[in-house]
Amino acid sequence: EPEVTQTPSHQVTQMGQEVILRCVPISNHLYFYWYRQILGQKVEFLVSFYNNEISEKSEIFDDQFSVERPDGSNFTLKIRSTKLEDSAMYFCASSPTASGSYNEQFFGPGTRLTVL
Amino acid sequence: KQEVTQIPAALSVPEGENLVLNCSFTDSAIYNLQWFRQDPGKGLTSLLLIQSSQREQTSGRLNASLDKSSGRSTLYIAASQPGDSATYLCAVTSGYSTLTFGKGTMLLVSP
Repeated sequence: EPEVTQTPSHQVTQMGQEVILRCVPISNHLYFYWYRQILGQKVEFLVSFYNNEISEKSEIFDDQFSVERPDGSNFTLKIRSTKLEDSAMYFCASSPTASGSYNEQFFGPGTRLTVL
Repeated sequence: KQEVTQIPAALSVPEGENLVLNCSFTDSAIYNLQWFRQDPGKGLTSLLLIQSSQREQTSGRLNASLDKSSGRSTLYIAASQPGDSATYLCAVTSGYSTLTFGKGTMLLVSP
């Protein structure tokens, strides 16, 4: 069964460094997302991406964050200058349609980002 | 702003029991509601999607209901098994594509 994959599974970085988290969405899906979950807290929406542009973003997704679909399969989240509070599990998700009602989102296993 | 609440926060039951997990949301203008399962340190597995026009969905031993007007959903698990132990998350789509999550119910099913 097709699934969303993410690499790496765990990333450790120093504060102020740039990180790129990578995702391969399900191949025929049209919408892509990033969410994050700080330890012990709710899963929070960061950004959605459709037709090679951002369609929605939350207040968390500030200028330190960017997303890109560099080729036909990968979807990346870049954090330019990491802060301690960026430590979290980052989930990529994809969905087959662009319509709200039928929009079932499928999640990857996550990348645990630890900022020291 | 949409808020999703799940009750109880944790639940411990013996194997074989039927159980109900509750989810409530503050803004009834939703497109759909999804129930997910999350195992410790792992990703989210989609269990059921209920569209806003539907009242319930079933998958195996799981049955989810939706009462959009009152802002409530329940996830019913029949004949629980130790393998059902996980955190169950409820999430609603109220923006065009944005999922808003509850904090989850941590379920422990003991043999």
